[in-house]
Amino acid sequence: DQQVKQNSPSLSVQEGRISILNCDYTNSMFDYFLWYKKYPAEGPTFLISISSIKDKNEDGRFTVFLNKSAKHLSLHIVPSQPGDSAVYFCAARRYNFNKFYFGSGTKLNVKP
Amino acid sequence: NAGVTQTPKFQVLKTGQSMTLQCAQDMNHEYMSWYRQDPGMGLRLIHYSVGAGITDQGEVPNGYNVSRSTTEDFPLRLLSAAPSQTSVYFCASRLDRNYGYTFGSGTRLTVV
Repeated sequence: DQQVKQNSPSLSVQEGRISILNCDYTNSMFDYFLWYKKYPAEGPTFLISISSIKDKNEDGRFTVFLNKSAKHLSLHIVPSQPGDSAVYFCAARRYNFNKFYFGSGTKLNVKP
Repeated sequence: NAGVTQTPKFQVLKTGQSMTLQCAQDMNHEYMSWYRQDPGMGLRLIHYSVGAGITDQGEVPNGYNVSRSTTEDFPLRLLSAAPSQTSVYFCASRLDRNYGYTFGSGTRLTVV
């Protein structure tokens, strides 16, 4: 049973517009969340994280929002660029546990 | 460059064969993990280690063994390869539980 779910396998966005990638989780004990970006034939690379004590974290064009009551997080990319085209994974961890649980990924295509 | 190095990048095995996927990191990270990536399943944890001499099972450990004799190396052994083990395997390391992972570039394994 997947504890972290990304229900949209793919998303297509025009260059310059906002990309919103969504992630839901089932375990209310998760306290730390991350987003990874993955290009073909490469390993995932860390993008941005958020702790459960916050509801928003920004890093340049990337912002992650956390809604604990809904067990939902989202990644906003503004403005989207063609180089952002990749698969995005969200991941979650329970406090003091060593395992990260990953979603199935969303493939983002940013059209020029 | 510092990072996580995985070898080989590609491998084809016959059913029943055994092999070891190599993983080495030079960042002095205590935590290391092996994940497999399958279509629609995201990244699933196979085994992980929180330091030399300490390993534990992840979500999908059956058919795999690991050992951690040094901080740098974390090999993954397939005991008797099965077609269900056809996947892309990623090794990852992190400094401690408060950091995200650095991933290797992956090993694409096909079992025929």
